[in-house]
Amino acid sequence: DVKVTQSSRYLVKRTGEKVFLECVQDMDHENMFWYRQDPGLGLRLIYFSYDVKMKEKGDIPEGYSVSREKKERFSLILESASTNQTSMYLCASDRIGLEQYFGPGTRLTVT
Amino acid sequence: QKEVEQDPGPLSVPEGAIVSLNCTYSNSAFQYFMWYRQYSRKGPELLMYTYSSGNKEDGRFTAQVDKSSKYISLFIRDSQPSDSATYLCAMVNEGNQFYFGTGTSLTVIP
Repeated sequence: DVKVTQSSRYLVKRTGEKVFLECVQDMDHENMFWYRQDPGLGLRLIYFSYDVKMKEKGDIPEGYSVSREKKERFSLILESASTNQTSMYLCASDRIGLEQYFGPGTRLTVT
Repeated sequence: QKEVEQDPGPLSVPEGAIVSLNCTYSNSAFQYFMWYRQYSRKGPELLMYTYSSGNKEDGRFTAQVDKSSKYISLFIRDSQPSDSATYLCAMVNEGNQFYFGTGTSLTVIP
C-alpha cells in the first residue's frame, strides 16, 4: 500500500511566523506535489518536484518555497505566514503521471 | 474557461438510490481519467482510474468516459451512507500534468 504521510494534521501559527510542512512517501515515487484546498476553489497546485533537488512552480507559488533533499521527502515552507494562507494543505506523490496518492492533509490556521 | 468543470452540488439522495456524478473538460489531449473520494477532513483517495472511452466497473461503482463529448461520469449503485463524501474528478494530459475538478459534495440519507 502506498503511504504518504504529513507531519501534522492541525497547525495554528501566528502571522509572520515561518512554517514548515513535511511530507514523506514510502513508495519510491519520482514525483511529489503540494496543493492547497479551499472551499469553492478545489485543489490548487503550489509546487511540484520531479526529482531530488528539483522544483517547479505550480499555479500559486507566491509566498511559498519548497525543498526536496531526499527522494522520499518534500517540504513546503511558508516564509512569513499570512492569514490568507489559512487552508488545507495536501501533499501527493506519483510515478510518472500515473494516479496520484494523497496524504491526510494539514489544516493550517494562521491568526 | 476552466480545463475541468464539475458541479459542486451539494447532492443529497436517499439510501439505495443510484447516484450520477459528472465532469466536463475542454482539452482533448487528456489521456487518463480518475475519480477520487474525499471524506471530511481527510485527503482524497483514488477510487477509479481509466484511460479509454467506455465503462469500467468496480463493485457498486462504474466510471464512464466519453471522449467524443469530453464528458466523464461516476455512477454509484445502491448508495450507502458511507458513500457520503466529496467526489473529485481528475484528468492527466500527455505532459503528465494533473487537472482536478472542484469536487461534488454527496450526502446519502439513511
